[in-house]
Amino acid sequence: AQSVTQLGSHVSVSEGALVLLRCNYSSSVPPYLFWYVQYPNQGLQLLLKYTSAATLVKGINGFEAEFKKSETSFHLTKPSAHMSDAAEYFCAVSVGFGNEKLTFGTGTRLTIIP
Amino acid sequence: DAGVTQSPTHLIKTRGQQVTLRCSPKSGHDTVSWYQQALGQGPQFIFQYYEEEERQRGNFPDRFSGHQFPNYSSELNVNALLLGDSALYLCASKIRKGERGYTFGSGTRLTVV
Repeated sequence: AQSVTQLGSHVSVSEGALVLLRCNYSSSVPPYLFWYVQYPNQGLQLLLKYTSAATLVKGINGFEAEFKKSETSFHLTKPSAHMSDAAEYFCAVSVGFGNEKLTFGTGTRLTIIP
Repeated sequence: DAGVTQSPTHLIKTRGQQVTLRCSPKSGHDTVSWYQQALGQGPQFIFQYYEEEERQRGNFPDRFSGHQFPNYSSELNVNALLLGDSALYLCASKIRKGERGYTFGSGTRLTVV
């Protein structure tokens, strides 16, 4: 069975600073990895996804993530934080062709300090 | 182009009652999954439907059931509601043989009192 661990339930960064949200996965087969963002009282929006192509994945709103098999990690980064980035971020994994079940982490709440 | 539409947006039910939540997938999508997101938690997979049949199921009791209609819309039914069923219920859709990654709706907030 696959699982995801998000280190840090709350992360605070200053506006303009680097954003780093950590995600480690566990999977017995090559995984597909995703980052979703959730704004208050809204559903989930896909930021980016890794599907075994390039290991550095670029997403929307200036976010990117790097798949590192040796570290079983898929950390999310953004060079310069904006106030509008304040939200809950979820890392998720799915495995196997046709098995589209997403297993989510517990989320990281990102706060931006003006 | 409308995304995934869920109704109602909010719902309050009494313990022991039954509830039906509805989902219209994004145009062109044929696969629907349902997730339960308790407060402060990540979404938990309930089940997935395509071709009008349940294809996968998560670790949820039989009180949770669903249906997919020929137009690909879907319903989630929960019987004998418990206080612990209070959560945000998210519907997500995709093209079955398309790229990975679901489009999520804004959810139905269910409160059981």
